[in-house]
Amino acid sequence: EDQVTQSPEALRLQEGESSSLNCSYTVSGLRGLFWYRQDPGKGPEFLFTLYSAGEEKEKERLKATLTKKESFLHITAPKPEDSATYLCAVRMDSNYQLIWGAGTKLIIKP
Amino acid sequence: DSGVTQTPKHLITATGQRVTLRCSPRSGDLSVYWYQQSLDQGLQFLIQYYNGEERAKGNILERFSAQQFPDLHSELNLSSLELGDSALYFCASSSPTSVNTGELFFGEGSRLTVL
Repeated sequence: EDQVTQSPEALRLQEGESSSLNCSYTVSGLRGLFWYRQDPGKGPEFLFTLYSAGEEKEKERLKATLTKKESFLHITAPKPEDSATYLCAVRMDSNYQLIWGAGTKLIIKP
Repeated sequence: DSGVTQTPKHLITATGQRVTLRCSPRSGDLSVYWYQQSLDQGLQFLIQYYNGEERAKGNILERFSAQQFPDLHSELNLSSLELGDSALYFCASSSPTSVNTGELFFGEGSRLTVL
């Protein structure tokens, strides 16, 4: 069964404490992996697209990487405003629609 | 602001009732997607319309229906509501360019509570 699993479910960090979020997938024919950020009471907001293993994308304190089985969202020296739920989604060859993980809720304490 | 507008923001109703959620996509976007987000299941794709035509169907119940009108706004109709239908319902839109990069533009959602 095609599946996207994110871990941990929740992560509490001190401001400035770097860490990584994980998104693992079991799909056949990956056509893209996508990271989104969702603030409370808001819709998800697009961050990155990764297409092939070894690819990396960066935006401010965030860096997304992709391997053949998982993606990591690295957050360096996070600030309280980075607190949000981070969602991962994949698109397969056989289905153009996105399959979403349940998300990681990130809390950065000042 | 994503440019996608959803109404109403909050809706409380009783079991067995019917509600309609409305979505206006970003200017120029032809595709509209509906998603359901509940606490224990994450984002579940319901249905996609492209320029008025149904393009793809996901896990949408038979009690639910949707349509996209000539002005490209879309409505999601939920009928015979059950307690389990309580969730956040998101609309998203995309352009032919943005969809290739996986970039969907989401509205702020409609929170439905069924009592």
